[in-house]
Amino acid sequence: GAVVSQHPSWVICKSGTSVKIECRSLDFQATTMFWYRQFPKQSLMLMATSNEGSKATYEQGVEKDKFLINHASLTLSTLTVTSAHPEDSSFYICSARTTGTGNGYTFGSGTRLTVV
Amino acid sequence: QQQVKQSPQSLIVQKGGIPIINCAYENTAFDYFPWYQQFPGKGPALLIAIRPDVSEKKEGRFTISFNKSAKQFSLHIMDSQPGDSATYFCAASIEGNTPLVFGKGTRLSVIA
Repeated sequence: GAVVSQHPSWVICKSGTSVKIECRSLDFQATTMFWYRQFPKQSLMLMATSNEGSKATYEQGVEKDKFLINHASLTLSTLTVTSAHPEDSSFYICSARTTGTGNGYTFGSGTRLTVV
Repeated sequence: QQQVKQSPQSLIVQKGGIPIINCAYENTAFDYFPWYQQFPGKGPALLIAIRPDVSEKKEGRFTISFNKSAKQFSLHIMDSQPGDSATYFCAASIEGNTPLVFGKGTRLSVIA
């Protein structure tokens, strides 16, 4: 089945530094990737939609200059948290819609970001 | 505005019981309704999904009931086991390359 590989699975960084999270579609082409953020004991909240070769669309309240999204190829989308602060500590998950039977979605395994 | 409302927030059942989790939606353009299971520190995993042209779908111990007129759908877990203890999310999406909208989640505990 369709697989999205997300790395790293966890990362600890210092305040003020930047962190890049990668999501790769391994056996299909993901023209669109969705990025979610999940705080402890809360639901997944859509941050942005990235489209290959064009600018990402950000949800209301999400700072596009802080959360940089790049979708340069059909198999790779990246989320860079710039100038990270402790309040950015969260679980970040990417997802892509798969074509074919079911037209479902596949999710990355998530990245636990801790900013100290 | 919450597009998908999920209840209850938490649920405790005994082993062998049948927990039921409910979701309601407003947007009639939604045409795909999946349920996800999530364990701590992991990404969500698809359990079962349904489309509006079907009123019920069963896969193993998991059943979705769908009521299009009421704009509601629910998840039933038959013969629940302690290993089913997790957080369950309902979601919905519209046709095309659109994101899933998630409910707030239900924390299920199955006690032996």
